Amino acid sequence: SQTIHQWPATLVQPVGSPLSLECTVEGTSNPNLYWYRQAAGRGLQLLFYSVGIGQISSEVPQNLSASRPQDRQFILSSKKLLLSDSGFYLCAWSVRGSALYGYTFGSGTRLTVV
Amino acid sequence: DQQVKQNSPSLSVQEGRISILNCDYTNSMFDYFLWYKKYPAEGPTFLISISSIKDKNEDGRFTVFLNKSAKHLSLHIVPSQPGDSAVYFCAARTMDSNYQLIWGAGTKLIIKP
Repeated sequence: SQTIHQWPATLVQPVGSPLSLECTVEGTSNPNLYWYRQAAGRGLQLLFYSVGIGQISSEVPQNLSASRPQDRQFILSSKKLLLSDSGFYLCAWSVRGSALYGYTFGSGTRLTVV
Repeated sequence: DQQVKQNSPSLSVQEGRISILNCDYTNSMFDYFLWYKKYPAEGPTFLISISSIKDKNEDGRFTVFLNKSAKHLSLHIVPSQPGDSAVYFCAARTMDSNYQLIWGAGTKLIIKP
């Protein structure tokens, strides 16, 4: 069966520090991968998606970046965090070429920038 | 440009009664609609979906209705239970967007005992 792992679950980082969140998927090949952010009291905002290794599409311009070094690994990074980067970050995957059954989400990372 | 709208940020319903969550959309090219449920500090989980060629899909206590002419869908939960308290997201997909999901802002459902 397919599983998605996302870590860490909670992170407190000072303003200006770097960020690296990792997401891995097991039990499937060639997935579409996504990074979402849910700010407090708001909906899901798509940050990045990837349809293959090294292929990253950005939906929102900001100081975050994403990379996909391996087929089932998706990394969200920042060189210098801002206070506004605080939020709940979610990784998700879907079958490439089809969202028939939607996305499967990881358990999320609560990031607090102080 | 919000293509999928959930106009009610929150909804409070008595336990045992029907909960109705609404979702409106603007893109007539959407071919599939999904509902997700999200508890605090957890990822959303898939709840129920409906194809644009249907007008109703039922799964246990959950039923989704689609009115294509009005570009409106709704999720009915009957009877509502305390464990249904969560944020519910409506999402839609179109082949034009490489099957990406377009999300509503979510509705927080509170089931009162």
